[in-house]
Amino acid sequence: DAGVIQSPRHEVTEMGQEVTLRCKPISGHNSLFWYRQTMMRGLELLIYFNNNVPIDDSGMPEDRFSAKMPNASFSTLKIQPSEPRDSAVYFCASSYGQGEAFFGQGTRLTVV
Amino acid sequence: SQQGEEDPQALSIQEGENATMNCSYKTSINNLQWYRQNSGRGLVHLILIRSNEREKHSGRLRVTLDTSKKSSSLLITASRAADTASYFCATDRETSGSRLTFGEGTQLTVNP
Repeated sequence: DAGVIQSPRHEVTEMGQEVTLRCKPISGHNSLFWYRQTMMRGLELLIYFNNNVPIDDSGMPEDRFSAKMPNASFSTLKIQPSEPRDSAVYFCASSYGQGEAFFGQGTRLTVV
Repeated sequence: SQQGEEDPQALSIQEGENATMNCSYKTSINNLQWYRQNSGRGLVHLILIRSNEREKHSGRLRVTLDTSKKSSSLLITASRAADTASYFCATDRETSGSRLTFGEGTQLTVNP
């Protein structure tokens, strides 16, 4: 398996634009997580899915953020409209049950 | 809010020395995991210890868990320059599925 695949690796966008981050989890994993990492706030759990169903989205900053998991092999995190304070590295991770989580390489988002 | 809190925030040692990092958490857990992150990369799982375990070893890593004190420690023996990275603890307290919450991390620098 190629591991958790995220795209794009880097994204630079202007304030107000829509940003979509993509994640392909490891085949067979039933939990998927979206995290955001910044120097100021560390690694924050935004949302996690279990069996494609959002279980806890309390970490999603505000209504500008939304996440979907239409099937077991794909998830998106969308920010609309984006703001400079959304600049961060966004990680997707997947796991099976309560086992170890495997992280993607992250998407470095810069909103100017 | 972060479930786990690591200390120290930063640790600098010489190659060959042992490095000890600590993690405290607030609520009951199913398991506790330690991860490593090299600069600019995703997190990599190191070791998982279940709530009914007290100690676990993996190569040069030794993890202890004290559920009465809600704390864990990660010991890296005979450190190498390549161990330089950030180390995070993560707790999983869900009874179904998985919801990993990370601490702030310890930045370890091993000087050659």
